[in-house]
Amino acid sequence: GQQLNQSPQSMFIQEGEDVSMNCTSSSIFNTWLWYKQDPGEGPVLLIALYKAGELTSNGRLTAQFGITRKDSFLNISASIPSDVGIYFCAGHWDDKIIFGKGTRLHILP
Amino acid sequence: DTGVSQNPRHKITKRGQNVTFRCDPISEHNRLYWYRQTLGQGPEFLTYFQNEAQLEKSRLLSDRFSAERPKGSFSTLEIQRTEQGDSAMYLCASSHEGNQPQHFGDGTRLSIL
Repeated sequence: GQQLNQSPQSMFIQEGEDVSMNCTSSSIFNTWLWYKQDPGEGPVLLIALYKAGELTSNGRLTAQFGITRKDSFLNISASIPSDVGIYFCAGHWDDKIIFGKGTRLHILP
Repeated sequence: DTGVSQNPRHKITKRGQNVTFRCDPISEHNRLYWYRQTLGQGPEFLTYFQNEAQLEKSRLLSDRFSAERPKGSFSTLEIQRTEQGDSAMYLCASSHEGNQPQHFGDGTRLSIL
């Protein structure tokens, strides 16, 4: 079945640093989604990507839908403490969403 | 608050008991999804509805699980004869029809004693 591979699994950064994480798949997806999940809460949609090659920004977040439709990256610029959490990439396939295992972001004081 | 609402937020029960969770989707969304999430993993698809019709069920959804959306609005997910392995976060999401992003509730965390 479809699988999404996210890397890195976890990141430790200093406040103010830029962050980059990515997601790859062996299958083509028509839509790529990036979600953030805080402890005890549900995933919150950050960015949705609909076209191969599309580059979309949402504040300090930028995401791109790879040309091959098998990969995507998410960048966070000038990280702040509230960026801490788990970031999931997800692909839309056959009316359902397939999630990666997440990248856990830690910000060092 | 017009987001997806789930109740209860937490449920602790003994093995073998039945449990039922409720999800109220965003009102204008005709699609409703159930996912399960275990520690360290992303959410995994269980089933989804378009209006009141249940259109797909995952292999993860054993015979002990049943979901309903009787009037095409709220949905319930029931687990009968709960087992230790059922301990997880159960997430509900809703969306418009088509390739539209799904919006999630905060989940029901189930703990089996």
